[in-house]
Amino acid sequence: NAGVMQNPRHLVRRRGQEARLRCSPMKGHSHVYWYRQLPEEGLKFMVYLQKENIIDESGMPKERFSAEFPKEGPSILRIQQVVRGDSAAYFCASSPSGNSNTEAFFGQGTRLTVV
Amino acid sequence: QKEVEQDPGPLSVPEGAIVSLNCTYSNSAFQYFMWYRQYSRKGPELLMYTYSSGNKEDGRFTAQVDKSSKYISLFIRDSQPSDSATYLCAFDYGGSQGNLIFGKGTKLSVKP
Repeated sequence: NAGVMQNPRHLVRRRGQEARLRCSPMKGHSHVYWYRQLPEEGLKFMVYLQKENIIDESGMPKERFSAEFPKEGPSILRIQQVVRGDSAAYFCASSPSGNSNTEAFFGQGTRLTVV
Repeated sequence: QKEVEQDPGPLSVPEGAIVSLNCTYSNSAFQYFMWYRQYSRKGPELLMYTYSSGNKEDGRFTAQVDKSSKYISLFIRDSQPSDSATYLCAFDYGGSQGNLIFGKGTKLSVKP
């Protein structure tokens, strides 16, 4: 049973470009969470999704950021018109239910660098 | 007052030492109290979690929760160089509320 798979592991984008980060949850997991880790900061919650639904996006910046988790395929975190301040590690976690995060597993992260 | 406070360290100890890592929190609504370990350039992995006040032991690791003081601790006995990592405390509201609230993490280095 493969773990949570994130790709790419490293992504370099120029200012103004779009970044697409992908997360494939563990088999049997239908709940996905995205977190962002800025340098010298802890992980900050961004968004919580179930298949085809956004459950909680209270941590998402109001502009340029969007997330989806389609019926088929991975969850996508999309950042439009990236700026230097978007440089961070983005982690995805998945769980089989939304009852408790004690069942959630994290991926290895995507490290985004905006130049 | 910040919701979660955790000393970032760095903390350097000799092999075999007992390590004490701590977090304070302000939100009484937290139901689960968790400790994650994060190796450099890797994702966080759940080490231990507790639901109520008291102690929970797992091998060399002991998690302690004091709800009255809003204080949680992780103790590592007989520390090993392989324990060198960043340790993150995290808090969960439980139920259908999805997000975890993390501390900034304490960077631990265990010297052989």
